[in-house]
Amino acid sequence: DIVMTQSPDSLAVSLGERATINCKSSQSVLYSSNNKNYLAWYQQKPGQPPKLLIYWASTRESGVPDRFSGSGSGTDFTLTISSLQAEDVAVYYCQQYYSTPRLTFGQGTRLEIK
Amino acid sequence: EVQLVESGGGLVQPGGSLRLSCAASGFTFSSYEMNWVRQAPGKGLEWVSYISSSGSTIYYADSVKGRFTISRDNAKNSLYLQMNSLRAEDTAVYYCARGSEESDYGAFDYWGQGTLVTVSS
Repeated sequence: DIVMTQSPDSLAVSLGERATINCKSSQSVLYSSNNKNYLAWYQQKPGQPPKLLIYWASTRESGVPDRFSGSGSGTDFTLTISSLQAEDVAVYYCQQYYSTPRLTFGQGTRLEIK
Repeated sequence: EVQLVESGGGLVQPGGSLRLSCAASGFTFSSYEMNWVRQAPGKGLEWVSYISSSGSTIYYADSVKGRFTISRDNAKNSLYLQMNSLRAEDTAVYYCARGSEESDYGAFDYWGQGTLVTVSS
């Protein structure tokens, strides 16, 4: 299975500042035939199910604020929140779907307000 | 509005069985691939099982293979997970999740609220 490793495990950022979460896969999730990275990001708030933010590594899901962006290719990916809002406090997960259906998630990154 | 509503969770003894259901509404259920994903208390997400839109293709995580059975009834807009030989490590919130068409069904765009399964004597 492809192992997804996120860093850091937790992060505290001041309101209005940039938050950056990293995700590294144990093998490339870039499919050469279509040049797409099979990588998604989710946000999970306490007591709620995960919410899809980003797929194809950088495509924002409909309705997701544009302060959320995804980047990276191959094995290294980043989720960036450009200006942290109070409602962004959550745990964030990356997920690879290259080895569908054997999907795997990162361990999660807890984002808090400094 | 897309809705996924799980039911069937509860407390069960080790070695026991439980059947989870997921009622779907607000979309053409028969057109979408579906999954079960679980989350142990205070832990991360673990994919459990996948079923194609027709039900003809099914996959399981190694941790549940041979013990869990996924199925669907497209006429009833429902997804199921039959869980047998339950173990303490199966304790988790179980979510049904819809594959996102825009991501070729690899990412999950809608999730239910989850149902808690507790395996304990």
